Amino acid sequence: NAGVMQNPRHLVRRRGQEARLRCSPMKGHSHVYWYRQLPEEGLKFMVYLQKENIIDESGMPKERFSAEFPKEGPSILRIQQVVRGDSAAYFCASSPSTGNNNQPQHFGDGTRLSIL
Amino acid sequence: KQEVTQIPAALSVPEGENLVLNCSFTDSAIYNLQWFRQDPGKGLTSLLLIQSSQREQTSGRLNASLDKSSGRSTLYIAASQPGDSATYLCAVLFGNEKLTFGTGTRLTIIP
Repeated sequence: NAGVMQNPRHLVRRRGQEARLRCSPMKGHSHVYWYRQLPEEGLKFMVYLQKENIIDESGMPKERFSAEFPKEGPSILRIQQVVRGDSAAYFCASSPSTGNNNQPQHFGDGTRLSIL
Repeated sequence: KQEVTQIPAALSVPEGENLVLNCSFTDSAIYNLQWFRQDPGKGLTSLLLIQSSQREQTSGRLNASLDKSSGRSTLYIAASQPGDSATYLCAVLFGNEKLTFGTGTRLTIIP
């Protein structure tokens, strides 16, 4: 059973370009979470999605950032018009059900985004 | 505000010693607490998950404890090895589906 798959592992963009980060959850997992780790900081929650629904996006910047988890295919985190401050490691996690059932979140290896 | 704190930020220990990493949290109404390991430039590896009804969990040389009333968890590593060198992260699920992470303890085991 493959783990959480994120791609690309590394992504370089110039200021003003768009960045698209992909996450395929573990098989059988219908809950996806995105976290961001800024240099020398801890991981911060961004958004929580279930299939075709955004459940909680309280940690995601209101502008330029969007996320989706379509019925078919991976979850996508999109950052439009990237700026230097978007440089970070973006981690995706998945779980089979809600956290209050004590199912651990399983993390991918992350996408390291660098903005030139 | 729900916060998770890990002290110290860095720790160096000679190989073979036992050690304890600390995690504290501000709200005792938690669903569970997870300890993760992160190697430089890598993702997170889940080590142990303690449910709110449990007091400890063990896996090999690792033992994690949970005291909700005092808002504390510890990760005990026995007979440390150089391969244990990594950053250890504590994360709490406060019931809102999103994990709240501490900033981690960077552990170095000295051969």
